[in-house]
Amino acid sequence: AQSVTQLDSHVSVSEGTPVLLRCNYSSSYSPSLFWYVQHPNKGLQLLLKYTSAATLVKGINGFEAEFKKSETSFHLTKPSAHMSDAAEYFCVVSPHAGNMLTFGGGTRLMVKP
Amino acid sequence: NAGVTQTPKFQVLKTGQSMTLQCAQDMNHNSMYWYRQDPGMGLRLIYYSASEGTTDKGEVPNGYNVSRLNKREFSLRLESAAPSQTSVYFCASSRQGSVEQPQHFGDGTRLSIL
Repeated sequence: AQSVTQLDSHVSVSEGTPVLLRCNYSSSYSPSLFWYVQHPNKGLQLLLKYTSAATLVKGINGFEAEFKKSETSFHLTKPSAHMSDAAEYFCVVSPHAGNMLTFGGGTRLMVKP
Repeated sequence: NAGVTQTPKFQVLKTGQSMTLQCAQDMNHNSMYWYRQDPGMGLRLIYYSASEGTTDKGEVPNGYNVSRLNKREFSLRLESAAPSQTSVYFCASSRQGSVEQPQHFGDGTRLSIL
């Protein structure tokens, strides 16, 4: 069985300040982990993925995430928020050899000018 | 550069009515998926099709049926709509049913059941 917990349902930052979106997972398997972003009235877009290679994963738009097995975490970070980053972000886990995605509840990121 | 196209974008139904949501992808992907999105719950898999000619249940299949019409198209049917099926429905596709191949999502169908 696998599950994902996104620790904050809403995060608010000022433009130009760092972003931290927290995600913890549980999985019976060696997991693959993903972050997806959803802009209003749009589908989900893949930001980055971890599939057992380097533990620090770089994605699009300056985002990165670090896989920490000992902490069962996969937090998403960005050094400097931009107004266009305002969206909902989903942490997702999957068994490494499978294709069934389990989504977290989402974190809505708000960016203040 | 269409990607995954869902129709309709919005729909309002009365309880007991039937409805088919359409999904088509133009990326020659083998695998296709239907999800529903409810507030605070992320996306939950309803059904998926690993390849043309096969379909399998996901996490929340009750009240739904699917048809993989051909490689491009994967439809979702509500035979007798219920208010609990009010949700945003997303179709996705991937080259293969493997996490190495990311899923590409449509823009969603917003469905309200009165």
